[in-house]
Amino acid sequence: EVQLLESGGGLIQPGGSLRLSCAASGFTFSSYDMSWVRQAPGKGLEWVSGISGSGDTIFYADSVKGRSTISRDNSKSTLYLQMNSLRADDTAIYYCAKSQFSSGWYDYWGQGTLVTVSS
Amino acid sequence: QSVLTQPPSASGTPGQRVTISCSGSSSNIGSNYVYWYQQLPGTAPKLVIYNNNQRPSGVPDRFSGSKSGTSASLAISGLRSEDEADYYCAAWDDSLTGVFGTGTKVTVL
Repeated sequence: EVQLLESGGGLIQPGGSLRLSCAASGFTFSSYDMSWVRQAPGKGLEWVSGISGSGDTIFYADSVKGRSTISRDNSKSTLYLQMNSLRADDTAIYYCAKSQFSSGWYDYWGQGTLVTVSS
Repeated sequence: QSVLTQPPSASGTPGQRVTISCSGSSSNIGSNYVYWYQQLPGTAPKLVIYNNNQRPSGVPDRFSGSKSGTSASLAISGLRSEDEADYYCAAWDDSLTGVFGTGTKVTVL
């Protein structure tokens, strides 16, 4: 059974940094692309970033480009999102999703981790 | 960031057919597959349509998808109370970003 478990969310002050993690199990992690998708409270879904199975191809949304870094450790079956210079509009539930690169395919999702940026 | 446009709401009575539209552009829907997600309250999204019109295993055949040019649609026939949820379309954009629709809340009257 595919399982994705996010962690690392919490309350952070504007300008601060946070690293989100997503522990994967139930599939061969290194064979699949992964993505981060976020959802602000009461709002719609927003694609944040994607990374290929090998980690050598990475894409970012303009809203986080230059402030965030996606990475993965295939030996630990774990996906990461390092977020810097956090702003109030980064407040959202962050989901990791098993995905297919360069598509809108996200076939398994974690339960999400809430990031709140506030002073 | 590119966004796909959906109507904010749609509704129907049990047994009726409801259709949700998704409007994009030549750089996303016009040149890539469309996907649809169902999000029940307080839960993560679930894939219900992939590659424009394919259903993952376990998704009832009451759900169907179509695409024409730069628009796509999701139809739910034989509407049931458990279909009440938010629905999002998604695609890849040739600007090398993922894009989602604005979301449609389906209400079963």
